[in-house]
Amino acid sequence: DAGVTQSPTHLIKTRGQQVTLRCSPKSGHDTVSWYQQALGQGPQFIFQYYEEEERQRGNFPDRFSGHQFPNYSSELNVNALLLGDSALYLCASSSPQGTGDSPLHFGNGTRLTVT
Amino acid sequence: AQSVTQLGSHVSVSEGALVLLRCNYSSSVPPYLFWYVQYPNQGLQLLLKYTTGATLVKGINGFEAEFKKSETSFHLTKPSAHMSDAAEYFCAVSDHTGRRALTFGSGTRLQVQP
Repeated sequence: DAGVTQSPTHLIKTRGQQVTLRCSPKSGHDTVSWYQQALGQGPQFIFQYYEEEERQRGNFPDRFSGHQFPNYSSELNVNALLLGDSALYLCASSSPQGTGDSPLHFGNGTRLTVT
Repeated sequence: AQSVTQLGSHVSVSEGALVLLRCNYSSSVPPYLFWYVQYPNQGLQLLLKYTTGATLVKGINGFEAEFKKSETSFHLTKPSAHMSDAAEYFCAVSDHTGRRALTFGSGTRLQVQP
């Protein structure tokens, strides 16, 4: 049973460019959340998708957008990259229990470096 | 709004010694509390969680945590540290109204000395 898979594992982009990160949730999970983890910090919530819609959003600018597909996989897009966007981007999925105690399963992340 | 404070960004213990990682939370509603562990170049793995019921929660790898509402704490302990416990540990909180996002602390790096 595959867990949460993310691609690519590493990415180097130039300031001002756009990037797309991808995530496949754990089998049986329908909810996907994205987190940004800066070096030496805890993860920060970006947004959450289920039923192909953004349901919650953290304190991130509109440059960060996402999408969820009918097969529950998800993309995170970041436009007009800034140096400060360099971080580990984590995707997490959870089961359709609809309550806050449904534990998140995390992927290994995509390490984005903006130069 | 919810928040998590992890006291001590770095904790060093000897192999076989007690591990104590501190977590205090702030929440206006009854919280769900979690501890996650992160090994280098990996994602986060759930160690244990508190939702309702028994306040002493046992997790994987011999870890446990106790929810103390009066102290707004959820400290993580392990009686005897092992070299393989060296990692980054994160405490997190969510509320219980639907599929809520987690709010994480800034993490505690645990070093285990031989």
